[in-house]
Amino acid sequence: SHELTQPPSVSVSPGQTARITCSGDALPQKFAYWYQQRSGQAPVLVIFEGYKRPSGIPERFSGSASGTVATLTIAGAQVEDEGDYYCYTTRSGSNSGVFGGGTKLTVL
Amino acid sequence: EVQLVESGGGPVQPGGSRRLSCVASDFTFSHFWMTWVRQSPGKGLEWVANINQAGGEANYADSVKGRFTISRDNTKSSLFLEMNSLRAEDTAVYYCGRLQKAAHIDLWGQGTLVTVS
Repeated sequence: SHELTQPPSVSVSPGQTARITCSGDALPQKFAYWYQQRSGQAPVLVIFEGYKRPSGIPERFSGSASGTVATLTIAGAQVEDEGDYYCYTTRSGSNSGVFGGGTKLTVL
Repeated sequence: EVQLVESGGGPVQPGGSRRLSCVASDFTFSHFWMTWVRQSPGKGLEWVANINQAGGEANYADSVKGRFTISRDNTKSSLFLEMNSLRAEDTAVYYCGRLQKAAHIDLWGQGTLVTVS
């Protein structure tokens, strides 16, 4: 079982808004981070510290949080945004980390 | 180019051992916590272990505690994962990662596949 819970899949049409949620008891105290993993590639950080975007990540990617739920929003999703998305956080009281189970985003 | 390159993957029999390496380039390796993350075929990401800048503190996932050892050599900008008593469920692509603020991975290697069979 995962300490962070994500929906297994999300599907949208191109240009629609995709929202991927991540639920976990630690999230009110800990930042959520989001990674995109395209097929056969290493993950890429798309959101850090809850809502910040690394350089090179399109503005359509945004992050938010409310209580025990963090949300990755892709406004105007594009076909190239397809892939698996993982939320991540650090565990309270330790320097260990935990990933959510991942969400497969389909854009078609 | 700022990058991490893993090596050492390959086939290994159950109960066997394997040592993975990760060499860092073009950043000050000794300034960063480092981590290993794995991904079993068709499955999600699993945090495995991390280590602080000097190598004096290490943390492990329960699934590998007592079997895996993370270490580093700052003089060679290298990170290691010594894996013992390997099981079929340890079959995975192993990624090394640079931790930013000791929290999140901002740089990933390309991964190295370990197959326990």
